[in-house]
This record gives sequence, C-alpha cells and structure tokens, in this order.
Amino acid sequence: ILNVEQSPQSLHVQEGDSTNFTCSFPSSNFYALHWYRWETAKSPEALFVMTLNGDEKKKGRISATLNTKEGYSYLYIKGSQPEDSATYLCAFRIQGAQKLVFGQGTRLTINP
Amino acid sequence: NAGVMQNPRHLVRRRGQEARLRCSPMKGHSHVYWYRQLPEEGLKFMVYLQKENIIDESGMPKERFSAEFPKEGPSILRIQQVVRGDSAAYFCASSLQGQGYSPLHFGNGTRLTVT
Repeated sequence: ILNVEQSPQSLHVQEGDSTNFTCSFPSSNFYALHWYRWETAKSPEALFVMTLNGDEKKKGRISATLNTKEGYSYLYIKGSQPEDSATYLCAFRIQGAQKLVFGQGTRLTINP
Repeated sequence: NAGVMQNPRHLVRRRGQEARLRCSPMKGHSHVYWYRQLPEEGLKFMVYLQKENIIDESGMPKERFSAEFPKEGPSILRIQQVVRGDSAAYFCASSLQGQGYSPLHFGNGTRLTVT
C-alpha cells in the first residue's frame, strides 16, 4: 500500500510570515509528485508537477522542492496572505502504476 | 473555456436506490479519474478511464460500483443499491495526458447523501 504523508495536518500562520510544510513518499520507483491547493467550497487546483530529483518550481510567492532519493517534497509560502488559506495536497505516482495517490493534506490558516 | 463539469452537485438517495454521477472532462482531455472523499478523510482514488476503456479500477469496490467513459458523452460513475457508507463527495478530474506528468483538473464534486 502506497502511503503519502503530509505534515503538519494543520498550521496557523500570521499574515506576512513565511511557512513551509512537508510531503513524504516512498523513495523507490518514483515517477511524479504533484502539489494542489484546495480552497473551501472550491475544487483542487494544480500548483506544481515535479518529476526530477532536485526540481525546484515557483509560482509567485509559492515554491516547491523535490528530493526523490530521500522521498520528500517541501512547499514554501513566502509572506503569507489571507488568500493563501487553503488545504494543500500532495499526490504521488510510482512507475508502472496509473494512479495518483493523495496525502491527507495540510490545512493552512492565515491569521490577519 | 469550460472546466470539468460534474452533475448533480448534490444527490440524495434512499438506501437501495441507484446513484448516477456524471462528469464531462475539459475540452480536449481524454483521461478521466474518479476520487472519493469520505467525511474527515482525504481523496481516495477509485478509477481511471480513457475513452471507452477502464485503465485502472483498483480503487473501486468490487460490488455495486461501476464506471464508464463512452465514446460520446460524459463519464458516468454508477452506484447500485446505495448504502449509508456510500455517503461522500465524489470528485472527477481530467487530464490532457495520463496521470503523472499532466496536472489533474478537478470538477466541483457531487455530494451524495444516502438516507
């Protein structure tokens, strides 16, 4: 059974502070790692698709890194804003499989 | 540029009835996935389909659940003889290419309540 672990489960951050959280996945047979952002009452929205060890991706104030050898990815948010409040999901696929397995998510709340 | 369309948004069924959930993928997408979110849980993979083919149904319960993605028309997730434990949010997603390198585009989900 593939397990994708995200930590922490929830996080409260003061507006303007920077934060980061973790996605851990099996390090063998890596194929791809996705990050999604899921706001309340909306549908998950893709942030990044990462495929190579050492990948770093950036979109505005949000960035992500990938370490496939040790099986983790970090998501960073710089200068948090209230609109960053959402659940952040990572999803993982191994070689030879067809499905993306999602973690439970990190629920981020930005306090004004 | 319409996104992934799911309907209905909310569906109420009595135990023993059938539930049909529809999903129209984004224009140009031929890969469709169904995920289920049970209360207080994350997204659980159910099935991955391409036009007229089921590619991976490893997450589908063996009984009462079926999925199709016909040549014409939306993908359908069908649950026969629903039970209370089927109450969940069902999300459909589509991608341009198979899972992995292409991001998933999600619909708004169908919330099924079984009474």
